[in-house]
Amino acid sequence: ILNVEQSPQSLHVQEGDSTNFTCSFPSSNFYALHWYRWETAKSPEALFVMTLNGDEKKKGRISATLNTKEGYSYLYIKGSQPEDSATYLCAFISGGGGADGLTFGKGTHLIIQP
Amino acid sequence: EPEVTQTPSHQVTQMGQEVILRCVPISNHLYFYWYRQILGQKVEFLVSFYNNEISEKSEIFDDQFSVERPDGSNFTLKIRSTKLEDSAMYFCASRNWARGGTGSPLHFGNGTRLTVT
Repeated sequence: ILNVEQSPQSLHVQEGDSTNFTCSFPSSNFYALHWYRWETAKSPEALFVMTLNGDEKKKGRISATLNTKEGYSYLYIKGSQPEDSATYLCAFISGGGGADGLTFGKGTHLIIQP
Repeated sequence: EPEVTQTPSHQVTQMGQEVILRCVPISNHLYFYWYRQILGQKVEFLVSFYNNEISEKSEIFDDQFSVERPDGSNFTLKIRSTKLEDSAMYFCASRNWARGGTGSPLHFGNGTRLTVT
């Protein structure tokens, strides 16, 4: 059973502040890591797909880094806005492409306070 | 933008009954998935489907579960004899293999809330 951990479980941030949270995954047999944003009453929406050690991806005020050797990825949000409130899920794929299913973490529930 | 659609949005059934959850994946996608989330728990992988057959399934996906792509557009999940513990949100997802292989993201539907009483 693959262990994908996300921390913290929940986070309250003042509007305008920057924040970050972590996804930890097995460092062996890495294939890809996904980040998804899941807003209440909607379906998860893909943010980033990361496949290379040292990858840095950016989408507006949100960015992510990847360290496959030590098994972690950070998601950063700069200048948080109320619309950033959501659960952020990371999902890990192991193996050489033979594994089709993603293993999800439990998510970080982010609440932006005005 | 094309999206994955799921019906119904909410299904209530009695224990022991069969249910079929329906999904219409994005039309040019080749890989299809079912996930579920029991209230308060993490999203769990059930099954993936490619080229008209199951490519991977989890321990949760036992003999009570089956999937089918009966025509060119629908992708269904059947639970033969529902149990109380099957109550969850069931999400269908699809992926376009041609765009980056295993690294391409999943596109999720809005989910079906299954309540077994």
